Amino acid sequence: GAGVSQSPSNKVTEKGKDVELRCDPISGHTALYWYRQSLGQGLEFLIYFQGNSAPDKSGLPSDRFSAERTGGSVSTLTIQRTQQEDSAVYLCASSLDNNEQFFGPGTRLTVL
Amino acid sequence: AQTVTQSQPEMSVQEAETVTLSCTYDTSENNYYLFWYKQPPSRQMILVIRQEAYKQQNATENRFSVNFQKAAKSFSLKISDSQLGDTAMYFCAFMIPGTYKYIFGTGTRLKVLA
Repeated sequence: GAGVSQSPSNKVTEKGKDVELRCDPISGHTALYWYRQSLGQGLEFLIYFQGNSAPDKSGLPSDRFSAERTGGSVSTLTIQRTQQEDSAVYLCASSLDNNEQFFGPGTRLTVL
Repeated sequence: AQTVTQSQPEMSVQEAETVTLSCTYDTSENNYYLFWYKQPPSRQMILVIRQEAYKQQNATENRFSVNFQKAAKSFSLKISDSQLGDTAMYFCAFMIPGTYKYIFGTGTRLKVLA
């Protein structure tokens, strides 16, 4: 596609439910990043993929968070047993040469 | 560890005026990239300008220019002839080539006033 896309754009869920957030990177981009942005805050690094492997998962806040990437393309970020503190905008970015990052529009997650 | 500091949480500027957003960083590396990203209210983050540390010449992109002071580890963004569409959150970021990790500042919220 022309840019990075993310779905859904908004997600409202109840505390304790699981959610899946999807990221479609720019075709051919080998690097993919997930960030979390809380209201009015900067970007918190969550995880990085190079191809299908994730050499650095250190940013995942807890074991309720997991991510995978298949076919070197689409990635899903899964949050199990959501908590209210998980409410944030989740941003995905892709990069061809680990230089400039191209960001998606984000998914706004609200946990009630 | 590398850090990026943006000391101005919020700024405002009159339309057509010039504004400078500050960014300082800390690293022991000699070669790195610096970026300014813009995030409008629509949320889509876009790259404004990029600077390679080995280049002494300051990067410019139309109305946007940087003042890169390597010794002082400073990387400020100047927006000339500010427009209403420049209203956004601006993030300064740092990255070491060959690695994958970007370090972002906490952002500066800029409001352009009519």
